[in-house]
Amino acid sequence: KQEVTQIPAALSVPEGENLVLNCSFTDSAIYNLQWFRQDPGKGLTSLLLIQSSQREQTSGRLNASLDKSSGRSTLYIAASQPGDSATYLCAVRTGANNLFFGTGTRLTVIP
Amino acid sequence: GAGVSQTPSNKVTEKGKYVELRCDPISGHTALYWYRQSLGQGPEFLIYFQGTGAADDSGLPNDRFFAVRPEGSVSTLKIQRTERGDSAVYLCASSLLVDVSTDTQYFGPGTRLTVL
Repeated sequence: KQEVTQIPAALSVPEGENLVLNCSFTDSAIYNLQWFRQDPGKGLTSLLLIQSSQREQTSGRLNASLDKSSGRSTLYIAASQPGDSATYLCAVRTGANNLFFGTGTRLTVIP
Repeated sequence: GAGVSQTPSNKVTEKGKYVELRCDPISGHTALYWYRQSLGQGPEFLIYFQGTGAADDSGLPNDRFFAVRPEGSVSTLKIQRTERGDSAVYLCASSLLVDVSTDTQYFGPGTRLTVL
């Protein structure tokens, strides 16, 4: 069974700092990898989707990379802002109905 | 357009009671998914519908859990004889599922279920 691990579990940084969130997965047979954001009491919002044939995707201050062979992905957030405070979840898609999530990294950006 | 909606947003019930959780997917999305998220954990897959049929219910924890999608749109997750361990946030998602490699699931805000 696919297992997804995220490190660190929690992270606190001062505003303006660049940061990296890590995700690892055990089975490289994936269709894609997604990064989601979850705010307290709310659902998940998709941030970036990287297909298995791609190496990275960028959206604004966010950049996600994928190394499928080593089972790793990183989410880079540039110039962090207090509004970036949320839990970030990594998920890998292994089939039409198989989306496996990590336990998330809780990010706090201090003004 | 409207996103995925779920009702109720919160549900408190007593052990042994029956509950129904509703999900309204994005119009036109043929695929619908239910997940359960326990505190401090990522969402875990429960069941997947393609149209009206349950294409995969392998994530349902036991036979107290059942879900339907009779007209291929709205779905209801039903839990019988609730137990305290069923307390969690139940998330619904929908997608077009034309190509798995580019498919994005859109999530609702969830229903927080508390079993006393």
